[in-house]
Amino acid sequence: EVQLLESGGGLVQPGGSLRLSCAASGFTFSNFAMSWVRQAPGKGLEWVSAISGSGDDTNYADSVKGRFTISRDNSKNTLFLQMNSLRAEDTALYYCVKVGGNSGYDYWGQGSLVTVSS
Amino acid sequence: EIVMTQSPATLSVSPGERATLSCRASQSVTRNLAWYQQKPGQAPSLLIYGASTRATGIPARFSGSGSGTEFTLTISSLQSGDFAVYYCQQYNHWPRYTFGQGTKLEIK
Repeated sequence: EVQLLESGGGLVQPGGSLRLSCAASGFTFSNFAMSWVRQAPGKGLEWVSAISGSGDDTNYADSVKGRFTISRDNSKNTLFLQMNSLRAEDTALYYCVKVGGNSGYDYWGQGSLVTVSS
Repeated sequence: EIVMTQSPATLSVSPGERATLSCRASQSVTRNLAWYQQKPGQAPSLLIYGASTRATGIPARFSGSGSGTEFTLTISSLQSGDFAVYYCQQYNHWPRYTFGQGTKLEIK
């Protein structure tokens, strides 16, 4: 059974940093690209960042480019999102998602809440 | 960036009736289109991929159709657990897989 378990969210002041983690199990982690998707309170879904299975290829939404860094540790089946220079508009539930072979996002974590507020 | 537009924003349907949700892409995404269901307090879950292929465990009352820029999700004979928010997503252009703004399916 595929499981994605996020952690690391919390309350942070504007300008601060947080590091999200996503522990994956139930599939061969290194074979699949992974992404982070966020959902602001009461809003829709927004793609944030993606990383290839090897970790060599990373991509970011314009709204987070230069502030967020995606990475992965395939030896520990873990995905990360380092978030720096956080803004109020980054407040959201952050989902770790597995990219399917040709099926969009086939598995989602339960989400990790990030709140940016003074 | 490919913009996905869903309609209507809210759809009110009675249990047992059929619901038809629409999704339009700003440019062709061939058949690389997925639908997700999100119930309150839960993460989204994959319903349909490849425009018309049901994900594992999804009942046959959910069906998808379309290609290019126009897509439809049909839910026949609505059950109480089907009332949720539905999102379409294009995955034709890695890695910027964009979502529609969602359609809220509510009980009439």
